[in-house]
Amino acid sequence: DADVTQTPRNRITKTGKRIMLECSQTKGHDRMYWYRQDPGLGLRLIYYSFDVKDINKGEISDGYSVSRQAQAKFSLSLESAIPNQTALYFCATSGVAGEGTEQFFGPGTRLTVL
Amino acid sequence: AQSVTQLGSHVSVSEGALVLLRCNYSSSVPPYLFWYVQYPNQGLQLLLKYTSAATLVKGINGFEAEFKKSETSFHLTKPSAHMSDAAEYFCAVSEWTGANNLFFGTGTRLTVIP
Repeated sequence: DADVTQTPRNRITKTGKRIMLECSQTKGHDRMYWYRQDPGLGLRLIYYSFDVKDINKGEISDGYSVSRQAQAKFSLSLESAIPNQTALYFCATSGVAGEGTEQFFGPGTRLTVL
Repeated sequence: AQSVTQLGSHVSVSEGALVLLRCNYSSSVPPYLFWYVQYPNQGLQLLLKYTSAATLVKGINGFEAEFKKSETSFHLTKPSAHMSDAAEYFCAVSEWTGANNLFFGTGTRLTVIP
């Protein structure tokens, strides 16, 4: 079984709709992250959470919100989707920061906003 | 602030030829550096990481990278390309400030020609 799972894997929605992307992990990590990937731009951080009570904005948080329901679950919401939010979204996790702590990525959710 | 520059958004090599993917970083403190690989329709997988122990780092699938502080570089190499190496490669940097956030380059797509 995958350590970091994302649902749905693909989603097509319309402008103005609310949508939620979900991430679950079985790695027991405290830290979780949401990124979006756009062609030619690499990955950019949307939000990150160090534990259930700690939520932080990343580089591109406008238009997004998150919820950390439990240590293992971190959801990303688009309150009113717009076409330029069409992208590939990744969830990632990591343990407590230490020397070169790596992040582990889910398989991604491809979101299309029409 | 940290940043990463990957020179060349697309690199093509012949099967059996040397692979060289370039990464330069900017960091105000000693960095931690990572190379991730993304195969089609998959999430990101760690290839290797530099954490100040050794400047030449060996990773999975025959890849290695050398940290050169004087050149602020962390180029990825593989002596002999294989068809299965075709993927997108991302260089990332983080600083040990407690946040452990990764800053990604824009990626290099590697094509291997038979």
